[in-house]
Amino acid sequence: RKEVEQDPGPFNVPEGATVAFNCTYSNSASQSFFWYRQDCRKEPKLLMSVYSSGNEDGRFTAQLNRASQYISLLIRDSKLSDSATYLCVVNSGTGRRALTFGSGTRLQVQP
Amino acid sequence: EAGVAQSPRYKIIEKRQSVAFWCNPISGHATLYWYQQILGQGPKLLIQFQNNGVVDDSQLPKDRFSAERLKGVDSTLKIQPAKLEDSAVYLCASSLGQLDGYTFGSGTRLTVV
Repeated sequence: RKEVEQDPGPFNVPEGATVAFNCTYSNSASQSFFWYRQDCRKEPKLLMSVYSSGNEDGRFTAQLNRASQYISLLIRDSKLSDSATYLCVVNSGTGRRALTFGSGTRLQVQP
Repeated sequence: EAGVAQSPRYKIIEKRQSVAFWCNPISGHATLYWYQQILGQGPKLLIQFQNNGVVDDSQLPKDRFSAERLKGVDSTLKIQPAKLEDSAVYLCASSLGQLDGYTFGSGTRLTVV
């Protein structure tokens, strides 16, 4: 089983739509969680951290469910510029302190 | 603040040749990472340094890959000899601490023919 699993997509949505991505992780000892964004042929960039209480940054909302080992990202009012691959990222806890990346979910926002 | 610098941006080599990549992290960042990203996949950790010491190299194919960070700043990653399956983007990242978010460099796109 992969440490971090995501639906690869692609998710094709019209401008203005709300879209949600899900991610599951296998290591219950994981301590920190992030969403990264990666544009085509570019490096990953930190989008937002994910906190247990849930957190929001403008049109983006991240949720964490530790009991189910599940992370989500909600994007409201999608823009063309949101088209990218969204990587779910987990710090795998003690002994493996580097971040583990999922394979990403591709989003294509259409006019 | 200057970002993470990597060179070269692109490299094409024949299989069995050697290649080296260079990374200069953000000033003051003690932790440096090398990731390999194969097309269609997420980045996979190759090696993690804390200052000039290796924290995790469990996924580094040590028969052909080596990395060093001699003075705790710049780092080089070497592949010798390269195989076709090494074709990927090699990303360097740095962070202040081990629980902080990372800043990635632009990567080196390696093609092995």
